[in-house]
Amino acid sequence: GQQVMQIPQYQHVQEGEDFTTYCNSSTTLSNIQWYKQRPGGHPVFLIQLVKSGEVKKQKRLTFQFGEAKKNSSLHITATQTTDVGTYFCASNTGKLIFGQGTTLQVKP
Amino acid sequence: ETGVTQTPRHLVMGMTNKKSLKCEQHLGHNAMYWYKQSAKKPLELMFVYSLEERVENNSVPSRFSPECPNSSHLFLHLHTLQPEDSALYLCASSQDNRGTDTQYFGPGTRLTVL
Repeated sequence: GQQVMQIPQYQHVQEGEDFTTYCNSSTTLSNIQWYKQRPGGHPVFLIQLVKSGEVKKQKRLTFQFGEAKKNSSLHITATQTTDVGTYFCASNTGKLIFGQGTTLQVKP
Repeated sequence: ETGVTQTPRHLVMGMTNKKSLKCEQHLGHNAMYWYKQSAKKPLELMFVYSLEERVENNSVPSRFSPECPNSSHLFLHLHTLQPEDSALYLCASSQDNRGTDTQYFGPGTRLTVL
């Protein structure tokens, strides 16, 4: 079945450093969604990308959908301690398939 | 805050107990979902209900039994669980069960099976 692979699994950064998580699929995705789960919390929707090569920004977060619609990335510029959590990508082609998530730790 | 509530938030049960998890959404959505989140594993979709009809059952053991009496409520009935069923159980809802619909998650029930 369709799988979405996400890397890295964990990332520790110093506050102020940049962070990127990558999401890859062997099949073409119709769209990709990104969610954030704070420690002890639940996944919260961040954004959805639909078009090939699409780039969307939310303040310090930049989301990109690959030209072939097989990969996506989330980049955070100048991380802050409030960015701590697990970031999931999810592909929705009838049902939502989540990647394993990347857990971000930020050292103040 | 997200319009999806779950009770209880924490549950400890023995392997012979019977318990139920409850989910309620106040968003007027037509689709509801149960997910299981275990440590170091991706979110696993268990059941999907659309307009109160079960449209997906992802090979979930029969010791988990869902119920959707109306579009706002979703239950997960538990019986004779195993310790490996200990996990965070998340309920979610979306406007419809379409590929582009955003899912809104509840806070989850942290289940421990002794």
